Amino acid sequence: GQQVMQIPQYQHVQEGEDFTTYCNSSTTLSNIQWYKQRPGGHPVFLIQLVKSGEVKKQKRLTFQFGEAKKNSSLHITATQTTDVGTYFCALRASGGSYIPTFGRGTSLIVHP
Amino acid sequence: DGGITQSPKYLFRKEGQNVTLSCEQNLNHDAMYWYRQDPGQGLRLIYYSQIVNDFQKGDIAEGYSVSREKKESFPLTVTSAQKNPTAFYLCASSLGAQGIYEQYFGPGTRLTVT
Repeated sequence: GQQVMQIPQYQHVQEGEDFTTYCNSSTTLSNIQWYKQRPGGHPVFLIQLVKSGEVKKQKRLTFQFGEAKKNSSLHITATQTTDVGTYFCALRASGGSYIPTFGRGTSLIVHP
Repeated sequence: DGGITQSPKYLFRKEGQNVTLSCEQNLNHDAMYWYRQDPGQGLRLIYYSQIVNDFQKGDIAEGYSVSREKKESFPLTVTSAQKNPTAFYLCASSLGAQGIYEQYFGPGTRLTVT
């Protein structure tokens, strides 16, 4: 299936610091989705990016889709303890399977 | 209250036994999915179904079977042929199977086989 590289695997931050996770593909993507899974919970949809260079914001979260549509990032400004969890990207290659492939996720640990 | 439910939350079985995990949705979604989650592995697709009476193998279908006799239900059977069945199993649904639709996940079933 589609190869997805998501980095880093883990990230420890002090509350108030910024956080970024990256999702990379070797092939051009049709779209990318981001999900968040709280500890002990299930993934919850955050956002979808479709257009080249697209930037979307949700409060302290900023999502970007690369110009070449091969990568994406999720940036959290001034992390809070409520941001703790694992962030997954799910991507679909252009012309490939219409079923999205999930990355391995980045686990964010926020220290108060 | 619309949503997707999975039962039970925790399941324990002895090695060599088949076990069926339940997944029900009342969102009127056409597509349903089963994922397996292991620590550090992300979500791996086991089976998916685009429509009633149709389903397709995902990346790790060996040792699993499914059925889709009703739109609302997509049960997963973990057979004795599955070598490492202990895992967290997540069911999801979406309006359609095309990757443009967001997936709604159930709370998951944590299966332990000893």
